[in-house]
Amino acid sequence: GAGVSQSPRYKVAKRGQDVALRCDPISGHVSLFWYQQALGQGPEFLTYFQNEAQLDKSGLPSDRFFAERPEGSVSTLKIQRTQQEDSAVYLCASSVAAGTGAGYGYGYTFGSGTRLTVV
Amino acid sequence: SQQGEEDPQALSIQEGENATMNCSYKTSINNLQWYRQNSGRGLVHLILIRSNEREKHSGRLRVTLDTSKKSSSLLITASRAADTASYFCATSRRGYQKVTFGIGTKLQVIP
Repeated sequence: GAGVSQSPRYKVAKRGQDVALRCDPISGHVSLFWYQQALGQGPEFLTYFQNEAQLDKSGLPSDRFFAERPEGSVSTLKIQRTQQEDSAVYLCASSVAAGTGAGYGYGYTFGSGTRLTVV
Repeated sequence: SQQGEEDPQALSIQEGENATMNCSYKTSINNLQWYRQNSGRGLVHLILIRSNEREKHSGRLRVTLDTSKKSSSLLITASRAADTASYFCATSRRGYQKVTFGIGTKLQVIP
């Protein structure tokens, strides 16, 4: 597609519920990133995929967070047993670049995000 | 944890004026990027400057980078109401794919 597509745009979950957030990157983009953005803050890195390989998951806040990209295109971020502190906007970004130095010479293309509210 | 800190955190100017935002960071970088985020939307990539570059222009945008001071500035000339948004700097370190964002500067351009 022309851009990075994320769904749903908004998600309200009851505390303890599992949620799955979808990201459809730009076709052919090798790199895919998930970021979490709390209100009034900058995005915080969660995890990075190069094709189907999850090369960096150092930002995932707990083992309740799980991400996958099984065929190297669409990615899903799953949050189990949601807590109120998980409320945030979850942003997905893709980049054509791979290798050393994130997006060297290229920026990321971000989706519009999924706003998750845990009640 | 956020690598960069933007300064000021909020800026309000009249349309037609120039807006300058600063970013400081802590570690050596491979490149530095600036992004814009309109309320409730995703981030839009504006400009990337590599660690061996000192200045870069794109339309009404001018970015400078001073690696000795670990700082960058973004200048928007002849601002327009449509420039109202939050602006983030993001740094990339050699050997790492991720970029690390600052907390952003909220710019308001008053028509």
